Amino acid sequence: AQSVTQLDSHVSVSEGTPVLLRCNYSSSYSPSLFWYVQHPNKGLQLLLKYTSAATLVKGINGFEAEFKKSETSFHLTKPSAHMGDAAEYFCVVSENYQLIWGAGTKLIIKP
Amino acid sequence: NAGVTQTPKFQVLKTGQSMTLQCAQDMNHEYMSWYRQDPGMGLRLIHYSVGAGITDQGEVPNGYNVSRSTTEDFPLRLLSAAPSQTSVYFCASSYGGNTEAFFGQGTRLTVV
Repeated sequence: AQSVTQLDSHVSVSEGTPVLLRCNYSSSYSPSLFWYVQHPNKGLQLLLKYTSAATLVKGINGFEAEFKKSETSFHLTKPSAHMGDAAEYFCVVSENYQLIWGAGTKLIIKP
Repeated sequence: NAGVTQTPKFQVLKTGQSMTLQCAQDMNHEYMSWYRQDPGMGLRLIHYSVGAGITDQGEVPNGYNVSRSTTEDFPLRLLSAAPSQTSVYFCASSYGGNTEAFFGQGTRLTVV
């Protein structure tokens, strides 16, 4: 059965420094992987997706993620954090018409 | 571009009451689903549908019913509300199960 583990419930970085949000997954097949973002009291927005093409995936707002099959990881990165990046981020794996969600990582940006 | 529309945005129910959360999409997506979001738990799948007339259970289906009579609409019914159903509910649609999901704005439900 597939599962998703987000390794940090909270990540705190200073504005202008790099962001790393970690995600590991387990899947029986070749998965589709996504990162979604949820700003406070808002809906969910797709940041980026991996669907077995290039292993380095670029998303919106300067985010990118690298699919590493050998490590079963799909970590999300951004070179320089902005205050507007403060939100909760979800790593998601998709198989057989079902999306399996990680518990989320809350990104805190310090001025 | 309406996308996925959920109503209501907020609802307070008394224990034992029933209600229906509405969800409609205008993108002609075959796949629709309902999730609940609780603190620290991400989103959990309640029910999903791969097309009109076809529904199936997700991870946490107890206490909820769904139907899919048209491609556009996928209502979620709470049969007899319980405090454990206090949550934020999201409806989503997509072309298929492995493609990008588009979400409604959510319904914050409180059961007292």
